[in-house]
Amino acid sequence: EAGVAQSPRYKIIEKRQSVAFWCNPISGHATLYWYQQILGQGPKLLIQFQNNGVVDDSQLPKDRFSAERLKGVDSTLKIQPAKLEDSAVYLCASSFFKREGGDTQYFGPGTRLTVL
Amino acid sequence: DAKTTQPNSMESNEEEPVHLPCNHSTISGTDYIHWYRQLPSQGPEYVIHGLTSNVNNRMASLAIAEDRKSSTLILHRATLRDAAVYYCILRDVMKTSYDKVIFGPGTSLSVIP
Repeated sequence: EAGVAQSPRYKIIEKRQSVAFWCNPISGHATLYWYQQILGQGPKLLIQFQNNGVVDDSQLPKDRFSAERLKGVDSTLKIQPAKLEDSAVYLCASSFFKREGGDTQYFGPGTRLTVL
Repeated sequence: DAKTTQPNSMESNEEEPVHLPCNHSTISGTDYIHWYRQLPSQGPEYVIHGLTSNVNNRMASLAIAEDRKSSTLILHRATLRDAAVYYCILRDVMKTSYDKVIFGPGTSLSVIP
């Protein structure tokens, strides 16, 4: 079974530029998550989709970050314009359903963003 | 949301057992205890989860205190590949339809050859 795919793996941009990340979840997984992980910290949830609807975006900086999940499959996360503090690893995860005890999240390898 | 507390770092010798502690004194009756780990330059991966009883799987064992205010992840024989950051997370699956997974800083485990 193929895992969660993300691209690109690395991205370097200047501040105030725009950037987009792509995620392809595991086939059949209805729930998709985007996390931001700053060096030395645990991942922080930015947005959670159930199919193509947003169920939690409370920690998404909506003035510069946007995300969409068309047709309930692939997803893109965009930053416009980028700031220095956006330098981080952006992780995508997906899960199948909420079984007893909570669903298991499967993570992609992440995209490492450096903002200069 | 109930919080967890873990040591920042731990060391273990290769092929010896490792006990990774987690304190969760404000755990509610419907909170499940989940463990994930993150190998260098990779995304986190699921390890194990439990509610009240001790749990075993091919990766690890989870020992849960009788009062559920603490738990311990046990790696029976540490290998170099087990060097990672280990996260202890509480999941309240009864609270809302979509519970939020909150990662703390975790415990960075070093394995000494």
